[in-house]
Amino acid sequence: NAGVTQTPKFQVLKTGQSMTLQCAQDMNHEYMSWYRQDPGMGLRLIHYSVGAGITDQGEVPNGYNVSRSTTEDFPLRLLSAAPSQTSVYFCASSSLKNHGAGNEQFFGPGTRLTVL
Amino acid sequence: LAKTTQPISMDSYEGQEVNITCSHNNIATNDYITWYQQFPSQGPRFIIQGYKTKVTNEVASLFIPADRKSSTLSLPRVSLSDTAVYYCLVGDMDTGRRALTFGSGTRLQVQP
Repeated sequence: NAGVTQTPKFQVLKTGQSMTLQCAQDMNHEYMSWYRQDPGMGLRLIHYSVGAGITDQGEVPNGYNVSRSTTEDFPLRLLSAAPSQTSVYFCASSSLKNHGAGNEQFFGPGTRLTVL
Repeated sequence: LAKTTQPISMDSYEGQEVNITCSHNNIATNDYITWYQQFPSQGPRFIIQGYKTKVTNEVASLFIPADRKSSTLSLPRVSLSDTAVYYCLVGDMDTGRRALTFGSGTRLQVQP
């Protein structure tokens, strides 16, 4: 199993450009989420999904869109990049099959994004 | 969503036991308590999860008092490789409250 994979690892954008961060998991997890982590800070939840076709907003959703057309993939779209979106982005997935205990989130390696 | 409060940083020496306490005063009945570890330039990694009393695995122990308004992560005999940021999360992914949020975490520095 590859676990959670993210592409690209690094990206530099100019203000106003758009792009999609890719996230895929091969563990058949229902739950997937996107976090951003600014330097020296904790992770903040952007969007999450509990299954194909179902998404919801987290703490900081503005400027980001998501969709979940398959169980495996959960791309994050930046519509018009701004310098404030410079951050490291982590994707995570989890099973929802076990009540409470066992719902460990597995994280990808992250995408380091710089917006100039 | 239940908010958590942790110390910003802690220092320890190799071989010592480290206890990190997390406060979660408004924890809900269905909420579980989960701890993650994060090394620089990596995603967080699951350490331990519990609902009440004590949970132990090969890495750590988690102590949860009866009122569940706080929890303590215990790392026995830390080594330099335990230097990391530790996050406490409270939530329940089996109900509609599925948005799990991370706090600022506790930065643990282990000295030789």
